[in-house]
Amino acid sequence: GESVGLHLPTLSVQEGDNSIINCAYSNSASDYFIWYKQESGKGPQFIIDIRSNMDKRQGQRVTVLLNKTVKHLSLQIAATQPGDSAVYFCAESNTGGFKTIFGAGTRLFVKA
Amino acid sequence: DSGVTQTPKHLITATGQRVTLRCSPRSGDLSVYWYQQSLDQGLQFLIQYYNGEERAKGNILERFSAQQFPDLHSELNLSSLELGDSALYFCASSQDGASNSPLHFGNGTRLTVT
Repeated sequence: GESVGLHLPTLSVQEGDNSIINCAYSNSASDYFIWYKQESGKGPQFIIDIRSNMDKRQGQRVTVLLNKTVKHLSLQIAATQPGDSAVYFCAESNTGGFKTIFGAGTRLFVKA
Repeated sequence: DSGVTQTPKHLITATGQRVTLRCSPRSGDLSVYWYQQSLDQGLQFLIQYYNGEERAKGNILERFSAQQFPDLHSELNLSSLELGDSALYFCASSQDGASNSPLHFGNGTRLTVT
């Protein structure tokens, strides 16, 4: 069935270092991928997205990489800050398929 | 602020009871999604509405139902509540219903069933 999973449930990084959060997806028909950030007590917040016709997309301090060959998605956060501490979810959907499926989440701890 | 409003923020009720969770989508968004998040777990898709009509169904129990009204707000009804229904329930909205744009989430309703 459809599933989106994460390799690491928790990640601890030093402030100022780069963070990489990984995600595997299983539905080869998925063509739209999104990363969300969820802070304690809040709903998930959109960070960055990428469509299947791209391999890489950059935002402000964040980069998403998509490897369709191995069905892998990653989120890179540059110069990680304490405010980046949160749970990060990857999500996949098939445009026109109406459902967005979320992975289990990775908790990022940023050490000062 | 995502622009999605969920009420109430917290809800405590007993087993066997029925509750209604309410969601107002972001202005201009036609599609509403409901997700359930249990402790330390991911977001489980329950159901989606687009412009008043059911568009997609996920792992929604028969005891649960939802609807989207003409003013586009949505309600999620949970009945015959069980302890295992305790969770965070999130509503999200998007401009269209085709899952090709980001979802905008509210801050959730925390349901505790005792």
